[in-house]
Amino acid sequence: DSGVTQTPKHLITATGQRVTLRCSPRSGDLSVYWYQQSLDQGLQFLIQYYNGEERAKGNILERFSAQQFPDLHSELNLSSLELGDSALYFCASSDLGHSTDTQYFGPGTRLTVL
Amino acid sequence: SQQGEEDPQALSIQEGENATMNCSYKTSINNLQWYRQNSGRGLVHLILIRSNEREKHSGRLRVTLDTSKKSSSLLITASRAADTASYFCASISGSARQLTFGSGTQLTVLP
Repeated sequence: DSGVTQTPKHLITATGQRVTLRCSPRSGDLSVYWYQQSLDQGLQFLIQYYNGEERAKGNILERFSAQQFPDLHSELNLSSLELGDSALYFCASSDLGHSTDTQYFGPGTRLTVL
Repeated sequence: SQQGEEDPQALSIQEGENATMNCSYKTSINNLQWYRQNSGRGLVHLILIRSNEREKHSGRLRVTLDTSKKSSSLLITASRAADTASYFCASISGSARQLTFGSGTQLTVLP
């Protein structure tokens, strides 16, 4: 158990809909990362937050957004969903968000868009 | 986009044998990490090797790093059926803090 929790575990929705994925980092970790894992794209970094502020952005679509709240939990919002958004979405957390930090991954949310 | 490729894509061995997986990356790195993922589940951090290190051990794991060849290898000794999983290398480059993952090696250890 990494100490990172993600909800929900599974999400099934229709095209055009909007969903919110939630992540609680390990106790004491200030940095949260979001990754997407799909069969065709592999594991891709989406976005990083550190202590409430956006720190780095990767291959995140404009239809997707995220935020980190004062209690350090984070939410990833996916809107106008398309079939291709079906994937596993992972949240990871690390201590200070440094490049030498170990990132601890949550169990993931499996999103299926029908 | 993925930083590098892993080789082989799939590996099947008998319990007790050693498993070696290789990872190549494209740009200079700060560090390289290896993760394990059981089918459809979260990633588990195995080991981190810094760019100024050449070899690191952790239990049955041995990681090497050759920055001149931009490659790393993960050796699992005396493999067990429970080692069956996908193994990913991931690197951090420059000022970035996010991991860039390789394509992964699917390891199957047969009892």
